[in-house]
Amino acid sequence: NAGVTQTPKFRILKIGQSMTLQCTQDMNHNYMYWYRQDPGMGLKLIYYSVGAGITDKGEVPNGYNVSRSTTEDFPLRLELAAPSQTSVYFCASRMDGTTYEQYFGPGTRLTVT
Amino acid sequence: GENVEQHPSTLSVQEGDSAVIKCTYSDSASNYFPWYKQELGKRPQLIIDIRSNVGEKKDQRIAVTLNKTAKHFSLHITETQPEDSAVYFCAASLGANSKLTFGKGITLSVRP
Repeated sequence: NAGVTQTPKFRILKIGQSMTLQCTQDMNHNYMYWYRQDPGMGLKLIYYSVGAGITDKGEVPNGYNVSRSTTEDFPLRLELAAPSQTSVYFCASRMDGTTYEQYFGPGTRLTVT
Repeated sequence: GENVEQHPSTLSVQEGDSAVIKCTYSDSASNYFPWYKQELGKRPQLIIDIRSNVGEKKDQRIAVTLNKTAKHFSLHITETQPEDSAVYFCAASLGANSKLTFGKGITLSVRP
């Protein structure tokens, strides 16, 4: 199993540009999450999904959008990039049931200038 | 919503000593408390977790204790080694379908 994979690893965007951060997991997990991590800060939840076709906002959703058309993929869309969106983005997934462990992807480092 | 706080933000210990990292949470209904370790430039990884029906859990050199009355839980690392140097995040949630709320993290440095 590859686990949770994210692309790209690094990206530099200009203000106002758009991009999609890709996240794929091969563990057949229904739960998937997007977090951002700013320097010296914890992980803030952006959006999450409890299964294909179901998404919901987290703590900091403004400026982002998500979709979940398959169990495997959970892309995060930035429509009009702003410097405040400079961060490291982590995707995570977990299985249903009584095991709550979240498995994280390697992260995408995004800089908006 | 839930608020999770970690203090201090950094901790330095001598190799071989014990380290204790404490977290407090605000929502008395929270019932799941994991600890994640993040090495520099890497992804967070779960190292231990505890449910609210248990007061303590151990796994080799690491342990977690939970005080529901005081709403705090602590990570204990014994016989620290340089490879324990990392950022440690605590988190809390209301359970299966609930989101995790993370603390800001504590940077642990183990001096050889």
